[in-house]
Amino acid sequence: IVMTQSPATLSVSPGERATLSCRASQSVSTNLAWYQQKPGQAPRLLLYDTSTRATDIPARFSGSGSGTDFILTIDSLQSEDFALYFCQQYNNWPQTFGQGTKVEIK
Amino acid sequence: QVQLLESGPRLISPSETLSLTCSVSGASIDSYYWNWIRQPAGKGPEWIGRVHSRGSTKYITSLEGRVTMSVDTTNNQFSLRLTSVTAADTAVYYCAGQSCSPYNCFWFDPWGQGIPVSVSS
Repeated sequence: IVMTQSPATLSVSPGERATLSCRASQSVSTNLAWYQQKPGQAPRLLLYDTSTRATDIPARFSGSGSGTDFILTIDSLQSEDFALYFCQQYNNWPQTFGQGTKVEIK
Repeated sequence: QVQLLESGPRLISPSETLSLTCSVSGASIDSYYWNWIRQPAGKGPEWIGRVHSRGSTKYITSLEGRVTMSVDTTNNQFSLRLTSVTAADTAVYYCAGQSCSPYNCFWFDPWGQGIPVSVSS
């Protein structure tokens, strides 16, 4: 399954909302996770099962969707939220990832 | 808190064998399925395969025959071995834990910070 994320880069001002898209080439039900990645750091699990926040993830991160289209929303962007985000499906083997969306400061 | 740390060479010559180790702290090596994931520069991550302490392994089809994973329960580590490397194997390599049911495996958590590996003569 090919996962396609858009846009490749998203320029957002601090305090604004960011909306990231992830599309699957075929249905993955709700078996989708989102990760945050910063340079030199371990990727961090944000959401699993499309919308369930991982441990210690702030409520400003939310997810929605099912089937082939998914959205990660980050409300009121904080400075620490500027990073790379990627999605991963685990409905079908092999698990596959999107190429990522970079959220940068506008 | 579970922490993973990759170790191994950062530069390797073409046709050689890449060997990486992931050291696990804060959890028993029996706790998860253990995975290797790589990410070439500018691209999304690619799952390579997984191993369990009971010995089961699963690899991505495109690397079958070149990849071997194993677990060292004594030292709470697991390893990746990739033979006959080429420039296409240049990437940041991550280790990650994963929970699985009898029917499926799920998201990856935790992850190591990654180790950059360059294949070049």
